[in-house]
Amino acid sequence: NAGVTQTPKFRVLKTGQSMTLLCAQDMNHEYMYWYRQDPGMGLRLIHYSVGEGTTAKGEVPDGYNVSRLKKQNFLLGLESAAPSQTSVYFCASSYSYGGHTQYFGPGTRLTVL
Amino acid sequence: AQRVTQPEKLLSVFKGAPVELKCNYSYSGSPELFWYVQYSRQRLQLLLRHISRESIKGFTADLNKGETSFHLKKPFAQEEDSAMYYCALQTTSGSRLTFGEGTQLTVNP
Repeated sequence: NAGVTQTPKFRVLKTGQSMTLLCAQDMNHEYMYWYRQDPGMGLRLIHYSVGEGTTAKGEVPDGYNVSRLKKQNFLLGLESAAPSQTSVYFCASSYSYGGHTQYFGPGTRLTVL
Repeated sequence: AQRVTQPEKLLSVFKGAPVELKCNYSYSGSPELFWYVQYSRQRLQLLLRHISRESIKGFTADLNKGETSFHLKKPFAQEEDSAMYYCALQTTSGSRLTFGEGTQLTVNP
């Protein structure tokens, strides 16, 4: 099993450009999450999904959109990138909630100039 | 709303010394608590969770509801323990984890 994979690994954008980050998991997990990791701020939840076709906002959703059209995929979109969105983005998945382990992807390092 | 605080951003110890990474939380209910670890160039992974009451790689953590703490301890640190450690809280009815700011542990030879 590949576990959780993320595409791409690195990306540089100019302010105002758009892009989509792809997260895929092969563990048949119901729950999927997008986090951003910034120095001194830990991991902050952007959006999450509790099942195919559902999405919900996390702590820092502004400037991002998500979609979960298939159970195994969770897409994170930036419609108009800003320098404040320079970060490392992590995707995670879990079987369910209530104590179930979250499994993380390797991360995507995004720089917005 | 729940909150997790890790007061030390950086922690440096010598090999063989005891290490304690502090984690405090605020939540009015009964939380599920976790420690996640990120080694250099690796993805974040679960280290341990309080409901399992297990020891992983020599690390233990006890939930102290009176002090609302979940400190991570190891009696004899090893160089391979150098990593970023995150404490995380999940509410019993929630589907999300709330992470602390993280503590970068360095174990010196």
